Amino acid sequence: GAGVSQSPSNKVTEKGKDVELRCDPISGHTALYWYRQSLGQGLEFLIYFQGNSAPDKSGLPSDRFSAERTGGSVSTLTIQRTQQEDSAVYLCASSSSGFGELFFGEGSRLTVL
Amino acid sequence: SQQGEEDPQALSIQEGENATMNCSYKTSINNLQWYRQNSGRGLVHLILIRSNEREKHSGRLRVTLDTSKKSSSLLITASRAADTASYFCATVPSGAGSYQLTFGKGTKLSVIP
Repeated sequence: GAGVSQSPSNKVTEKGKDVELRCDPISGHTALYWYRQSLGQGLEFLIYFQGNSAPDKSGLPSDRFSAERTGGSVSTLTIQRTQQEDSAVYLCASSSSGFGELFFGEGSRLTVL
Repeated sequence: SQQGEEDPQALSIQEGENATMNCSYKTSINNLQWYRQNSGRGLVHLILIRSNEREKHSGRLRVTLDTSKKSSSLLITASRAADTASYFCATVPSGAGSYQLTFGKGTKLSVIP
């Protein structure tokens, strides 16, 4: 597709379950970001991938969070043993470079009951 | 951590008026970007201004950057009801390997028809 695609758009899960969120970036974009946005708040940086370099994981809030990017394209954000405070919209963005404009997906809204 | 801080947090104006939003940041930057987010949607890039630029225009948008004060402003002229959205500034820090784009909490703009 032409834009960044995220799935699922909505996910409701029970506390303690694991969830996987998927991001399909714009073809050819080497940079991929994950952000988290709680209700009415700004964006909290989670992780950044650039080409084949080691990802910048400095924003991951705990070791329950992990992300991978396979083949320099699709990325999966995994949250293990979900907690209620994990409820938020998870936004993925891609860019043709690390310095320029980000193209965002519509986000995955996660609700942990 | 949040690098950019927008001001005001919320702004309500009549259609046709101008809207000004401000952003302050803390560390040296490579560039500063403004994004728009409609409710429940992903973010859309509006404009990027580099650290060696002072002013930039795009349609009804005017962005200024004052690196000595570590601040930027976004002016939307002749506002329309369709401009109702949240507006975020984001900074790319200067320095090698610093690709983390950090967002503020945003200004919520309401344009009343």
